[in-house]
Amino acid sequence: GENVEQHPSTLSVQEGDSAVIKCTYSDSASNYFPWYKQELGKGPQLIIDIRSNVGEKKDQRIAVTLNKTAKHFSLHITETQPEDSAVYFCAATGTYKYIFGTGTRLKVLA
Amino acid sequence: EAQVTQNPRYLITVTGKKLTVTCSQNMNHEYMSWYRQDPGLGLRQIYYSMNVEVTDKGDVPEGYKVSRKEKRNFPLILESPSPNQTSLYFCASSDIAGVGYEQYFGPGTRLTVT
Repeated sequence: GENVEQHPSTLSVQEGDSAVIKCTYSDSASNYFPWYKQELGKGPQLIIDIRSNVGEKKDQRIAVTLNKTAKHFSLHITETQPEDSAVYFCAATGTYKYIFGTGTRLKVLA
Repeated sequence: EAQVTQNPRYLITVTGKKLTVTCSQNMNHEYMSWYRQDPGLGLRQIYYSMNVEVTDKGDVPEGYKVSRKEKRNFPLILESPSPNQTSLYFCASSDIAGVGYEQYFGPGTRLTVT
């Protein structure tokens, strides 16, 4: 079946450094790729998304890139801050069915 | 305040005792979905609904039932819970029953089946 692989599972960075999380999907029909942030004890919250007709999207310190040929998309966080510490999930969908990655626990060290 | 609510937030039950987890949204969203979250497995979709009376299976539907009789409500039913259904459950909704719209998640329901 369809799947989304996400790496790394944990990531520690110094405050101010950049963080990169990578996902690979298997379903060629996928055309929407959201990223969610989950803080402790809360539900996931959308932080950025990208559609298949776009290669890159930025929102302040956050950016997402998509390589449809390689079926690969990545989340980039620059100038990391302690409040960026959370679990991040990527997802892919081409219909109403969503496939999520297994999550990355990001720790920003002050 | 626009939100997705789930009840109960915590539930401990015994094997075989039927239970229902309620989900309600006040944003007039067409699309609603249920997920379970397990360590190391991420979020896995159980069922989703594109609109009233329209539901379909996600990746892990076995052992679960859903119904969508009203637009705002999407309850998750476990007819005969088993210990492998111990998990953290999230309900979510989105604006349009299609691809490419933000899902709003509820606060989660932590279920323990003994």
